[in-house]
Amino acid sequence: GESVGLHLPTLSVQEGDNSIINCAYSNSASDYFIWYKQESGKGPQFIIDIRSNMDKRQGQRVTVLLNKTVKHLSLQIAATQPGDSAVYFCAEDHSGGGADGLTFGKGTHLIIQP
Amino acid sequence: NAGVTQTPKFRVLKTGQSMTLLCAQDMNHEYMYWYRQDPGMGLRLIHYSVGEGTTAKGEVPDGYNVSRLKKQNFLLGLESAAPSQTSVYFCASRHTGRPQPQHFGDGTRLSIL
Repeated sequence: GESVGLHLPTLSVQEGDNSIINCAYSNSASDYFIWYKQESGKGPQFIIDIRSNMDKRQGQRVTVLLNKTVKHLSLQIAATQPGDSAVYFCAEDHSGGGADGLTFGKGTHLIIQP
Repeated sequence: NAGVTQTPKFRVLKTGQSMTLLCAQDMNHEYMYWYRQDPGMGLRLIHYSVGEGTTAKGEVPDGYNVSRLKKQNFLLGLESAAPSQTSVYFCASRHTGRPQPQHFGDGTRLSIL
């Protein structure tokens, strides 16, 4: 089946720096992508999403970039704060809105150094 | 604003015992999901439901059963627990229609001895 993967299992950044978390996907039919943040002992929390007809979307301190040519997704976090420490997951939807379409990556653990 | 609520939060079972995990959502979502999360494996879909009275198998359904008797509740049952079912279980829900994010509960940590 298709897979969604992360380039690095752990990413360590200095507080105040920008963070970039990468994700590769393999299903060309995927048309919707989501980034989740999971803090220790909590469930995944929605951060930002993007549809395949876009290549960039911005939220508060976060930006998601989508490169469909190389099937690559990235999450950029500006001015990283201690509260950004968490595991970040990307997910892809290849069902066009169907119920069972989400496939999750394994996650990247973002560590913020003081 | 509760969102998705899972009970219990923690449970320890012996091999062969049965139990039911409860998920409740107050967002009037049609779709509901059960996932398991294991170290290094990400989230894997067990079962899901597109509405009251309907369920379907996901990626890893063996050893689990589900029921959706009410729109707001989705139950996950283990009839005869096995150590391989030790995991963190997450419930999620979302509206129908165009692709949109699923909303997750905070999980149930289940250990099978």
